[in-house]
Amino acid sequence: EAGVAQSPRYKIIEKRQSVAFWCNPISGHATLYWYQQILGQGPKLLIQFQNNGVVDDSQLPKDRFSAERLKGVDSTLKIQPAKLEDSAVYLCASSPGTGVNTEAFFGQGTRLTVV
Amino acid sequence: AQSVTQPDIHITVSEGASLELRCNYSYGATPYLFWYVQSPGQGLQLLLKYFSGDTLVQGIKGFEAEFKRSQSSFNLRKPSVHWSDAAEYFCAVGPRYSSASKIIFGSGTRLSIRP
Repeated sequence: EAGVAQSPRYKIIEKRQSVAFWCNPISGHATLYWYQQILGQGPKLLIQFQNNGVVDDSQLPKDRFSAERLKGVDSTLKIQPAKLEDSAVYLCASSPGTGVNTEAFFGQGTRLTVV
Repeated sequence: AQSVTQPDIHITVSEGASLELRCNYSYGATPYLFWYVQSPGQGLQLLLKYFSGDTLVQGIKGFEAEFKRSQSSFNLRKPSVHWSDAAEYFCAVGPRYSSASKIIFGSGTRLSIRP
C-alpha cells in the first residue's frame, strides 16, 4: 500500500515570497491533516479536512496560510507571504475516518526554510 | 488548558538497557492517548494507542505504555533497546467526544543509544 506522498521534500525561499506544498493521501482515506512542526517542538495541527470539507482550521493563520482539498483527494497548503517564523517541517497525514480512534498515517514532510 | 508534557528533552541509554519515556497530560477528561516515533527525515509512525480497557498497552517494535489515570501519565517503556530505536518520540492526546481530531503533541524526547 502506498503511503502519504508529499512534495517537495525541501524548499528554501526568501521572506515575503510565496510557497505551496502538495500532499497525496493514502487512497480511500477520507480525512487529511496538515501539521506544522517547528524545530524542537511537537507537530501542531493547522487544518483538518473530511473529504473536501474543512473540519478544523482554528490554528491556521488565515492571513497568510490557505489550504484546499479539491475533489476530496490530494491537497495543497500555501503560504503567502512567508515569514521567517514559518520555517518548519510541514507534515501531511491521512486517516480512514474522522475522530482520533483511527490511526493517522504521516508523510515524510516538507522542510521549509525562510531566509 | 489542554497540554502534553514530555519532561525529558534528550535521553541516552545503552544498547540492551531498559527504557522509560515520560508523558503527562492535562485534559478536561480522559483523552485518547498515543505514542509516535519519528526517525530522522521520516514522518511520524504510530507506536501504540490507548482508548479504553487494559491500562497496559502493547505496541509495535516491542514497546508498551501504561496509562495511569491518577497521575495523568502515559509512560512509554521498552525492556531492552536496540540501536535502531534511536529517534524522536512524541506523546499525543486527543478528544474522545469530538468530530475534530485536534491531536495535541508533546514537544518530544530524543532518544540516543550508546553502543
